[in-house]
Amino acid sequence: DTGVSQNPRHKITKRGQNVTFRCDPISEHNRLYWYRQTLGQGPEFLTYFQNEAQLEKSRLLSDRFSAERPKGSFSTLEIQRTEQGDSAMYLCASSSQTGNTEAFFGQGTRLTVV
Amino acid sequence: AQTVTQSQPEMSVQEAETVTLSCTYDTSESNYYLFWYKQPPSRQMILVIRQEAYKQQNATENRFSVNFQKAAKSFSLKISDSQLGDTAMYFCACLEGGQNFVFGPGTRLSVLP
Repeated sequence: DTGVSQNPRHKITKRGQNVTFRCDPISEHNRLYWYRQTLGQGPEFLTYFQNEAQLEKSRLLSDRFSAERPKGSFSTLEIQRTEQGDSAMYLCASSSQTGNTEAFFGQGTRLTVV
Repeated sequence: AQTVTQSQPEMSVQEAETVTLSCTYDTSESNYYLFWYKQPPSRQMILVIRQEAYKQQNATENRFSVNFQKAAKSFSLKISDSQLGDTAMYFCACLEGGQNFVFGPGTRLSVLP
């Protein structure tokens, strides 16, 4: 296992378009997290899954954002009708519910909305 | 609800010297974990050190150690013998049992040659 994988690494889109990002967690991890990070700031929580269940969603997450984790494996994060304020790095992390609770991060998807 | 505060936006240290990064947190839970993560420029976030709240002994990992003051809700990171490769953003994070990780705003550390 090579760790948490995110695709694409970079995405440039026009305002108003929809975008979808993918995250493949470490295979034995049942928890998966999505965070958003703007330049010079700490990661801001968006949502997280335990297996296929979405257990928590940030109140900051507008209804333009949706995430899925079918079959408890990979996850997708979709942003509809993108706005310039959505430009950020989107980070995915995974962890195991038992044992070591450390979160392992992917390299992120950098979204630029023009 | 959790909050994590890092009061030092930027710090610098000379190579081979020691530096301490501050972190305070707020939680109502008795069972939680604390972490320091490092994010080098344009690279992914990696774990530096973790501390279980129920453990009184401060965690250490080679040149990295923490000063965990549970009553004061303080969790500082000490980096000894600083190296140029330690230059990065450092984030303090708190995980309450079964919930999500909450991160502080980060401290940008520069190690000077």
